[in-house]
Amino acid sequence: DTGVSQDPRHKITKRGQNVTFRCDPISEHNRLYWYRQTLGQGPEFLTYFQNEAQLEKSRLLSDRFSAERPKGSFSTLEIQRTEQGDSAMYLCASSLHGESSTDTQYFGPGTRLTVL
Amino acid sequence: KNQVEQSPQSLIILEGKNCTLQCNYTVSPFSNLRWYKQDTGRGPVSLTIMTFSENTKSNGRYTATLDADTKQSSLHITASQLSDSASYICVVSPYSGGGADGLTFGKGTHLIIQP
Repeated sequence: DTGVSQDPRHKITKRGQNVTFRCDPISEHNRLYWYRQTLGQGPEFLTYFQNEAQLEKSRLLSDRFSAERPKGSFSTLEIQRTEQGDSAMYLCASSLHGESSTDTQYFGPGTRLTVL
Repeated sequence: KNQVEQSPQSLIILEGKNCTLQCNYTVSPFSNLRWYKQDTGRGPVSLTIMTFSENTKSNGRYTATLDADTKQSSLHITASQLSDSASYICVVSPYSGGGADGLTFGKGTHLIIQP
């Protein structure tokens, strides 16, 4: 399978704990995006990378959230001191950005986080 | 404020019937509009993308239309199948260079196909 993969698919944690999610994009894609989606809502943009550089961060990304893409390939999203309001599906997407590309984003299956 | 409004919020139709989903947006400037299909518990999958100059785009039984003057788009599904049951999300981008700042997602229309 050469699509976007995310790990884990499900995570249950207690309030106050730290969690880390991983995303592996489509191999030739240079852009990687993180979104959060709650039930009945569309995805909300959190941040995105072009290669290893983090180019944009949403105001939704509080200081408890940090994302990295150290080698321009896989990315991690860490949430520190989780709160119940962090419970959501965390989606990763990747795209190929270039002069003639449409930047279509290909989404992974998501990581569902439940904070008790 | 940039917004994307979709209607109806949910829709139930019988297998084999056609349906049309609506998307109205206030995003400005405008670069492109995409429709995604999201199965329950899965990530969205791109169906169509249309730029300012395109009025219609088809992908199998899915046909999207765009009226950039009235800022409206529709997604028409022909001869629905049980596998079409999903949420359909309209996404509008203000920038041609990609990126995500300003990318505005609708809440989606939840479509259920009944046998």
